[in-house]
Amino acid sequence: GAVVSQHPSWVICKSGTSVKIECRSLDFQATTMFWYRQFPKQSLMLMATSNEGSKATYEQGVEKDKFLINHASLTLSTLTVTSAHPEDSSFYICSARASQLARGTNEQFFGPGTRLTVL
Amino acid sequence: GESVGLHLPTLSVQEGDNSIINCAYSNSASDYFIWYKQESGKGPQFIIDIRSNMDKRQGQRVTVLLNKTVKHLSLQIAATQPGDSAVYFCAEGAEDGSGGGADGLTFGKGTHLIIQP
Repeated sequence: GAVVSQHPSWVICKSGTSVKIECRSLDFQATTMFWYRQFPKQSLMLMATSNEGSKATYEQGVEKDKFLINHASLTLSTLTVTSAHPEDSSFYICSARASQLARGTNEQFFGPGTRLTVL
Repeated sequence: GESVGLHLPTLSVQEGDNSIINCAYSNSASDYFIWYKQESGKGPQFIIDIRSNMDKRQGQRVTVLLNKTVKHLSLQIAATQPGDSAVYFCAEGAEDGSGGGADGLTFGKGTHLIIQP
């Protein structure tokens, strides 16, 4: 099956620093990747859509200058949380979509998530 | 804005019984719906999906029912096992209309399924 990995799985950083999270599709090419954020005991909220070779599309209320997304290749997308603050502490999850692998619908394959804690 | 929601935040069932998890959605333009299972500290795991032009789809031990009249989605799990304990999310999506694929998913609030021995 399609596998999506994330690195790191968890990170603790000081307030004001920047953190980069990687999302990789290991055995397929992902033309589109999505970034979600999940606070404790809450649902996943879509942050942005990342298309290879083009600028990311951000959801309303998500600051593009704070959450920098780069989708430089068909297997890698990165999310950089700039000048992180404690309120940015969350579980960040990416997903990747490859239409040739979809089981009849537009299935997204999710990564294992990255737990960010900002002190 | 439009959202996807769930009726029950927690569902407790006896091992071996059937489980039914419900979801109400409000976006009538959604093209498909997906059920995901999420274990603690992990990413969502695909369970089953259904397109908007269908009303039922079956998988291994799971069945998804879609009622577009009342905008209701349900996940039925047969013979619930301890390994089924998790939070279950419904999600909806729409294709972008250009043939290029889908947008990101809108997730419901989640139901925590607890299996009692």
